[in-house]
Amino acid sequence: DAKTTQPPSMDCAEGRAANLPCNHSTISGNEYVYWYRQIHSQGPQYIIHGLKNNETNEMASLIITEDRKSSTLILPHATLRDTAVYYCIVRVGAGTASKLTFGTGTRLQVTL
Amino acid sequence: NAGVMQNPRHLVRRRGQEARLRCSPMKGHSHVYWYRQLPEEGLKFMVYLQKENIIDESGMPKERFSAEFPKEGPSILRIQQVVRGDSAAYFCASSPPGLDGFYEQYFGPGTRLTVT
Repeated sequence: DAKTTQPPSMDCAEGRAANLPCNHSTISGNEYVYWYRQIHSQGPQYIIHGLKNNETNEMASLIITEDRKSSTLILPHATLRDTAVYYCIVRVGAGTASKLTFGTGTRLQVTL
Repeated sequence: NAGVMQNPRHLVRRRGQEARLRCSPMKGHSHVYWYRQLPEEGLKFMVYLQKENIIDESGMPKERFSAEFPKEGPSILRIQQVVRGDSAAYFCASSPPGLDGFYEQYFGPGTRLTVT
């Protein structure tokens, strides 16, 4: 699986959009970008995933650059409950089950 | 539909004892994964199992650790002769058979093992 690079920490004011970047310059054509988060030592929670098109669900939006070498997770209206460590993971998607390789992630602190 | 269940949530063992961690996957899920998280670190993959089969154990320590997922009952992660370095949070995840091909993983709340 391709290696990812994320900033170690970010701050965001409550109610504002949180934009979390991720670099994955060695991503392969069959690898997907996944985002998980871990709130205060709980089990990781799946957020969203994508291949090359932008994706949106009830939790977040995922913007993937055209060359697929980087992506941004957007939480449109961050709340205090979004304070967590966010992990960007690249792995082979459809057609095979495989492990998730977690990096160090980005610690997002949402403040009043 | 209940989520992934793990028990116990907290486990204290003395050095040299055995630790048995249990994981019940979500209903209908046939894939189970175990991850370990040391204090202040990210999660590290340990083992991936399907019913009665170990698919990938590349992250398992060579000694003292074993895992199983029997035909009936929960998946078990077993640590023999625990040492203080085994103190960590152990997370289990499960995924469905992959009818849509994405094998999304859903995590349990974890078991926090403390070795004294």
